[in-house]
Amino acid sequence: QSALTQPASVSGSPGQSITIPCTGTSSDVGGHNYVSWYQQHPGKAPKLMIYAVSNRPSGVSSRFSGSKSGNTASLTISGLQAEDEADYYCSSYRSSSTPWVFGGGTKLTVL
Amino acid sequence: EVQLVESGGGLVQPGGSLRLSCAASGFSFTTYSMSWVRQAPGKGLEWVSFISTTSGSIHYAESVKGRLTISRDNAKNSLYLQMNSLRVEDTALYYCARDCGDYSFDIWGQGTLVTVS
Repeated sequence: QSALTQPASVSGSPGQSITIPCTGTSSDVGGHNYVSWYQQHPGKAPKLMIYAVSNRPSGVSSRFSGSKSGNTASLTISGLQAEDEADYYCSSYRSSSTPWVFGGGTKLTVL
Repeated sequence: EVQLVESGGGLVQPGGSLRLSCAASGFSFTTYSMSWVRQAPGKGLEWVSFISTTSGSIHYAESVKGRLTISRDNAKNSLYLQMNSLRVEDTALYYCARDCGDYSFDIWGQGTLVTVS
């Protein structure tokens, strides 16, 4: 079964805002409010940034926000900072024999 | 400190077996479901397997069904992944991850590398 669809890369300048889309189907992103976003720096484990579409775990900056419209979820990072440069992965619950599915990942470059 | 520490990775020939372990500390292991997630070199994340608190609910990715077996020992605060009939495409860094609810993983280990060659 296909992974969720994310752009391979996005970029932005410090202080700007960027949005990373994550497109799925009615069986996953569109059918459930269980979309998560993870940040992964090189050589490090993933870090949970957003859960249940738009909720931030304790300790995650308010510059990170999540939303969903139809079959597409989005992660928005405002006030870009150099330390935001990382890979970002979306994940969703899927109504199938494989309940969890990840996106292919998006490399964020801060120019 | 809340922590997950994986071990047991290594180099194995195709068709071989390995058993991965994940030691949990700093939280009540018995009250959390757990998953294994893997990442092939230079690739994205792939969910592998899930186990509920009492082992009553278990799920596998289609790519590993029948070859990998997840288990846990709540008395030892440990999660396991028995890997049999390994294939070259199983080569990856294997992370254990704590399920915090809402189908999200809030705590990850540092990973253990499995190389099938």
